[in-house]
Amino acid sequence: KAGVTQTPRYLIKTRGQQVTLSCSPISGHRSVSWYQQTPGQGLQFLFEYFSETQRNKGNFPGRFSGRQFSNSRSEMNVSTLELGDSALYLCASSSRAGSNEQFFGPGTRLTVL
Amino acid sequence: KQEVTQIPAALSVPEGENLVLNCSFTDSAIYNLQWFRQDPGKGLTSLLLIQSSQREQTSGRLNASLDKSSGRSTLYIAASQPGDSATYLCAVKTSYDKVIFGPGTSLSVIP
Repeated sequence: KAGVTQTPRYLIKTRGQQVTLSCSPISGHRSVSWYQQTPGQGLQFLFEYFSETQRNKGNFPGRFSGRQFSNSRSEMNVSTLELGDSALYLCASSSRAGSNEQFFGPGTRLTVL
Repeated sequence: KQEVTQIPAALSVPEGENLVLNCSFTDSAIYNLQWFRQDPGKGLTSLLLIQSSQREQTSGRLNASLDKSSGRSTLYIAASQPGDSATYLCAVKTSYDKVIFGPGTSLSVIP
């Protein structure tokens, strides 16, 4: 079974631009969660999607948004990029929402200049 | 508000030594606790998942325990190897269905 895939792996953007990151979960998994990892704040939960619906959301501004498609693939969008948005963005999938084990992708490294 | 801490922040041990990593959380109302390892610049690899009703889980040289009442989990690594060098993170899934990560323990196993 293929693992979680994320594209692109690396991105460089400038302040004020917007960016879209993509995540394909493990086949059969319907829950996708997104996390931001920075040296200062560590790993922080962004949001979780299950069956195309956002189930949960972390404490991030509205510039961070996401969606999930009928095939369970998910996209995350960040608008009006700030320098502080530079981070490793990780996606995780699990077979269902709730207390199941999460499996992570390799991440997308976003650098904002 | 759930907070997760990990001690120590960094650890360096000689190859072959047994070691224990610690994870503490402030709110015992959790669904599960999961241990991960992360290699530099990479994603997270799931090591062990302990449901709230369980006390421990084992996989190969790894053993994780959970004591909800005291808000603690330990990850025991037996006979450490240089390939075990990585950052180890614990994460708790709260009763609000959010996942809170600890800051991690950076482990170096010296040949």
